[in-house]
Amino acid sequence: DIQVNQSPSSLSASVGDRVTITCRASQTISRYLNWFQQKPGKAPNLLIYAASSLQSGVPSRFSGSGSGTDFTLTISSLQPEDFATYFCQQSYSSPYTFGQGTKLEI
Amino acid sequence: QVQLQESGPGLVKPSQTLSLTCTVSGDSISSGSYSWNWIRQPAGKGLEWIGRIFKSGTTDYNPSLKSRVTISADMSKKQFSLTLSSVTAADTAVYYCARDREVGAYWYFDLWGRGTLVTVSS
Repeated sequence: DIQVNQSPSSLSASVGDRVTITCRASQTISRYLNWFQQKPGKAPNLLIYAASSLQSGVPSRFSGSGSGTDFTLTISSLQPEDFATYFCQQSYSSPYTFGQGTKLEI
Repeated sequence: QVQLQESGPGLVKPSQTLSLTCTVSGDSISSGSYSWNWIRQPAGKGLEWIGRIFKSGTTDYNPSLKSRVTISADMSKKQFSLTLSSVTAADTAVYYCARDREVGAYWYFDLWGRGTLVTVSS
């Protein structure tokens, strides 16, 4: 299985901050990396697919970059509604695997 | 607007079989470049992909669960189902169904159900 290591596991930030979350895959996965946001009691919501493509309806303050083994999710200016948990997920090969999650807190 | 909705028992006894169904509204599950997936999340923990079914009926399972999992589909009812046998407390989780979409060889979960909590307890 491809392991996806996500860091940090938690992050404290303020409204207006720029934040970065990182995922590292245990082998090269090209650009087969997706990012999700999850709020308490809700299903995950797709933010970024194929490493850097913004899902329709997602604000442009969210961006993704990377290829190969190292990937980054950046939120350019945190808004109050962005405080949530973020997961990365590789879709390069089966079984699909997720990062451990990053809890973004005030 | 396409929606997914999980249904099934919220409580299953240890050693018994967990059965859930996902109903798709607003579209056919036999059209498009999609697969239909089950994913679970224990309370306070991360996400685990369980498996998927394609419109051809081909299935793909997580090896960690493969011996206990079956995913099937009823195209006419626009439903796909999960059975997980010989459950233990470790199978207690919120279970999500999700659509996996292919665009230009990239796959991503673009649509999720709201999730259903399944507790394994006697």
